[in-house]
Amino acid sequence: QKEVEQDPGPLSVPEGAIVSLNCTYSNSAFQYFMWYRQYSRKGPELLMYTYSSGNKEDGRFTAQVDKSSKYISLFIRDSQPSDSATYLCAMNNKLSFGAGTTVTVRA
Amino acid sequence: NAGVTQTPKFQVLKTGQSMTLQCAQDMNHNSMYWYRQDPGMGLRLIYYSASEGTTDKGEVPNGYNVSRLNKREFSLRLESAAPSQTSVYFCASVRNTEAFFGQGTRLTVV
Repeated sequence: QKEVEQDPGPLSVPEGAIVSLNCTYSNSAFQYFMWYRQYSRKGPELLMYTYSSGNKEDGRFTAQVDKSSKYISLFIRDSQPSDSATYLCAMNNKLSFGAGTTVTVRA
Repeated sequence: NAGVTQTPKFQVLKTGQSMTLQCAQDMNHNSMYWYRQDPGMGLRLIYYSASEGTTDKGEVPNGYNVSRLNKREFSLRLESAAPSQTSVYFCASVRNTEAFFGQGTRLTVV
């Protein structure tokens, strides 16, 4: 079993919808939780990170961590076609990544 | 400021050939990582280097070797390429918890 599990999707939503992405993890030692965004044929870029349970907002993006359930989420409000990308969760044990979820926002 | 530079961007190898993927960063970071990315499998860690002079195995090290030549450069070598090593390879330079990735090397082994 991988340390970080993420449904690879793909996920297709209409413009303006809320996108919900999730990861589960098995290693209780993980302390930092990150979301990376990767556009086609590019390297991933850090989108958000958090190190505690609860919510963190950045514009249209909200990262949520539930350490008791070993579950993290990323929500994208008012999604735009420019949000179409692959989103990867990552955790700080040697930067372990999930499989990535490919999101398409339809105009 | 180039960030992380990987060379080459594309490569086709025949089975059994060897090659070295180069990575250089200009951000003065201590840690550097090599990942491979395959469809549906995300980024899998091959090797990492926490500091100049040290290297450690990641999740999928078999068939690869690395060299941390100095603080800036971290190379990945395939000694005898196999079709299973067809993938996109990413190098990352890491500061605290944030990884800065290169543009990737698309490698095909035929």
